[in-house]
Amino acid sequence: LAKTTQPISMDSYEGQEVNITCSHNNIATNDYITWYQQFPSQGPRFIIQGYKTKVTNEVASLFIPADRKSSTLSLPRVSLSDTAVYYCLVGDDKFYFGSGTKLNVKP
Amino acid sequence: DTAVSQTPKYLVTQMGNDKSIKCEQNLGHDTMYWYKQDSKKFLKIMFSYNNKELIINETVPNRFSPKSPDKAHLNLHINSLELGDSAVYFCASSQVGTRRDTQYFGPGTRLTVL
Repeated sequence: LAKTTQPISMDSYEGQEVNITCSHNNIATNDYITWYQQFPSQGPRFIIQGYKTKVTNEVASLFIPADRKSSTLSLPRVSLSDTAVYYCLVGDDKFYFGSGTKLNVKP
Repeated sequence: DTAVSQTPKYLVTQMGNDKSIKCEQNLGHDTMYWYKQDSKKFLKIMFSYNNKELIINETVPNRFSPKSPDKAHLNLHINSLELGDSAVYFCASSQVGTRRDTQYFGPGTRLTVL
């Protein structure tokens, strides 16, 4: 199983760009990288998925270097409502959500 | 117009009781899942069904029995509830259950065993 490592928590202020990095040194050739967001008292929600280079959607961007051993979720101009836990999942680990990164956005 | 729904949202019960949680998805997905999220927020898969057939069964006590009457429903029955069963249980669904699949989660059922 590809194992992922992310920071336990991060603080930010409204309007800032937030980058959350996930390490996955043992990623397999055909593994995709997927990020989910979980608000308090809700189920996780899909944010973005990528295989290599850069993926962007209306919510976030995902940057994946050539060696694919890490990935960075970028949230542009965060607001208070972006306060949530962010999970990085890789390949077969898609069923194993760790403790994620708790992002706290302050006013 | 909820995609994945669960009932009840809250469940408070005594040790030793038997309870059920229901899940329904209207996305037309073939695969459904049950997850357990403990107090430390770790979310662990318990079961997965594809087209009513059990495909993932993690090391979950036999007291937990999933039932899928059709591919839109996956219910979870728990016998002889224990204190350690207190957690939030999430149902989810995905298109076919492959590695790239996006999972859609329900709102969760908070189970408290007294």
